[in-house]
Amino acid sequence: GENVEQHPSTLSVQEGDSAVIKCTYSDSASNYFPWYKQELGKGPQLIIDIRSNVGEKKDQRIAVTLNKTAKHFSLHITETQPEDSAVYFCAAAGGRNTGNQFYFGTGTSLTVIP
Amino acid sequence: DSGVTQTPKHLITATGQRVTLRCSPRSGDLSVYWYQQSLDQGLQFLIQYYNGEERAKGNILERFSAQQFPDLHSELNLSSLELGDSALYFCASSVGGSYGGEQFFGPGTRLTVL
Repeated sequence: GENVEQHPSTLSVQEGDSAVIKCTYSDSASNYFPWYKQELGKGPQLIIDIRSNVGEKKDQRIAVTLNKTAKHFSLHITETQPEDSAVYFCAAAGGRNTGNQFYFGTGTSLTVIP
Repeated sequence: DSGVTQTPKHLITATGQRVTLRCSPRSGDLSVYWYQQSLDQGLQFLIQYYNGEERAKGNILERFSAQQFPDLHSELNLSSLELGDSALYFCASSVGGSYGGEQFFGPGTRLTVL
């Protein structure tokens, strides 16, 4: 099955700086890559996603890039704010699955220091 | 608020017992997914149902079972509970059942097995 690795596991940045989280996947047939933000005591919330026919997608301060050849994708958060502090998960889907199950990375705990 | 509801929010039980977790998907969504989130395993896909039928199966133990009812709500049954089953259980839903679809997560049920 698919294997998704995520780095770093923890990340601290100063408010206003950028944060980058990286993920790699193993199944070259995977074609959908969402990013989720999970705040304490809540369920994961979709913040941005990218499909395999696109190399980059941006939504205000958040962007995701995908390199299909290298099988890695990254989340970029610019001008970080304290409310960006949370755990971020990447996931991969599609591939050779019969359904729509997501394979998640192990998460990155982001702390934005005011 | 994702539109996915889960009950109960918290559940405390003893080893060997059986519990049922309930999930109602977003209006219009036909697929329901169950995920287990534990500290050492991250977010693990358990099972997916699409319009009442099982669509995909992940790392779900034989002691666990699920079903999706005609009104599309789903239940996850956990039996012969062990200490290691203590975790957050999330339900997610999506419109379609095949790869590449967005999933929206509920707030989760925290299960504690004593």
